[in-house]
Amino acid sequence: DGGITQSPKYLFRKEGQNVTLSCEQNLNHDAMYWYRQDPGQGLRLIYYSQIVNDFQKGDIAEGYSVSREKKESFPLTVTSAQKNPTAFYLCASSMGIGRDEQFFGPGTRLTVL
Amino acid sequence: KNQVEQSPQSLIILEGKNCTLQCNYTVSPFSNLRWYKQDTGRGPVSLTIMTFSENTKSNGRYTATLDADTKQSSLHITASQLSDSASYICVVSLSGNTPLVFGKGTRLSVIA
Repeated sequence: DGGITQSPKYLFRKEGQNVTLSCEQNLNHDAMYWYRQDPGQGLRLIYYSQIVNDFQKGDIAEGYSVSREKKESFPLTVTSAQKNPTAFYLCASSMGIGRDEQFFGPGTRLTVL
Repeated sequence: KNQVEQSPQSLIILEGKNCTLQCNYTVSPFSNLRWYKQDTGRGPVSLTIMTFSENTKSNGRYTATLDADTKQSSLHITASQLSDSASYICVVSLSGNTPLVFGKGTRLSVIA
């Protein structure tokens, strides 16, 4: 069953703690993305990666970090430097950057207490 | 600046009625335009894609139009169902290896 998985579905953390969100895909896609979605707002790009061991900052990268050690995996770390981390986080993948369709995971809702 | 504007922000309609959602974009160079459906608490799913040369594309009860001259697109939903309640997001891609440009979405509520 091909697709993108994100875990966990819900995540709670105390303020000041770093937290890592998982994203795995078995679609053999080269490109992967992380988005943040807040109520009433559109998707905002945090980071994206075109290929293993390479990634680029998106529009709101401050307070976040990523790694791309494997083609299938693109974990996102929300650091304590992120001032307002509570949000819905979506991971996506596509064959390439730009015009190819992006397939989205089910999302992780992070709540920082 | 590359932007995608959607209207209305939210919409409530009765089950069985039709509705039309609007998308205006200022994106260049344009490659294609997609409409995504996002159910609450889920990831978006692609409904349609249109390139520069296409002006209409249907997917069941969903029909998208594109006017590349005026840089406008619409998504028409026919005979709405309760399951159509979702956010509908207009997404434009540029030529070249650049990330997509997302609209903020229209929140549609279909009520019985």
